[in-house]
Amino acid sequence: SQTIHQWPATLVQPVGSPLSLECTVEGTSNPNLYWYRQAAGRGLQLLFYSVGIGQISSEVPQNLSASRPQDRQFILSSKKLLLSDSGFYLCAWGKGEAFFGQGTRLTVV
Amino acid sequence: QKEVEQNSGPLSVPEGAIASLNCTYSDRGSQSFFWYRQYSGKSPELIMSIYSNGDKEDGRFTAQLNKASQYVSLLIRDSQPSDSATYLCAVDSSYKLIFGSGTRLLVRP
Repeated sequence: SQTIHQWPATLVQPVGSPLSLECTVEGTSNPNLYWYRQAAGRGLQLLFYSVGIGQISSEVPQNLSASRPQDRQFILSSKKLLLSDSGFYLCAWGKGEAFFGQGTRLTVV
Repeated sequence: QKEVEQNSGPLSVPEGAIASLNCTYSDRGSQSFFWYRQYSGKSPELIMSIYSNGDKEDGRFTAQLNKASQYVSLLIRDSQPSDSATYLCAVDSSYKLIFGSGTRLLVRP
């Protein structure tokens, strides 16, 4: 069966520090991969999606970037975090629908 | 910008009643539609998918799709307090899964 791993579960980072969140999927090949962000009490905002290795589409211009170095690995990065980057970050995989990891609650202080 | 609209609620129903959740979408090219349940502090969980006009039933859940009206709904029969959560509607749009902001459902014992 397919599983998705996302870590860490919680993260507190100072403004201006870098960020790297990693997500891996097991049990499937060539999945679509997604990064979403959810602000407190809000819906899911699509940040990046990928349909294959090295293929990244950005939905929202901002100081975040994503990479897909391997088929089942998706990384979200930032060189310098802003206060507004705080939120619940969710990685998902799918071939049509999306199945989510446990999420990372990021607080930028 | 392709959009998915939901009433934020809260929708309050007594235990045992039918809860009706609605969603409209703007992309006429969308072919796949999903309902997710999200408990507070947790990641979304897929509960229903629907691809053709009409009704699809799974246990206490029924999804309804009307592509001509660009309308998707979710009915929850015999609502239980454990159904209290935020329900997110999601629509595919060119490899991307676009989410509504969710409807909060409260089931009163």
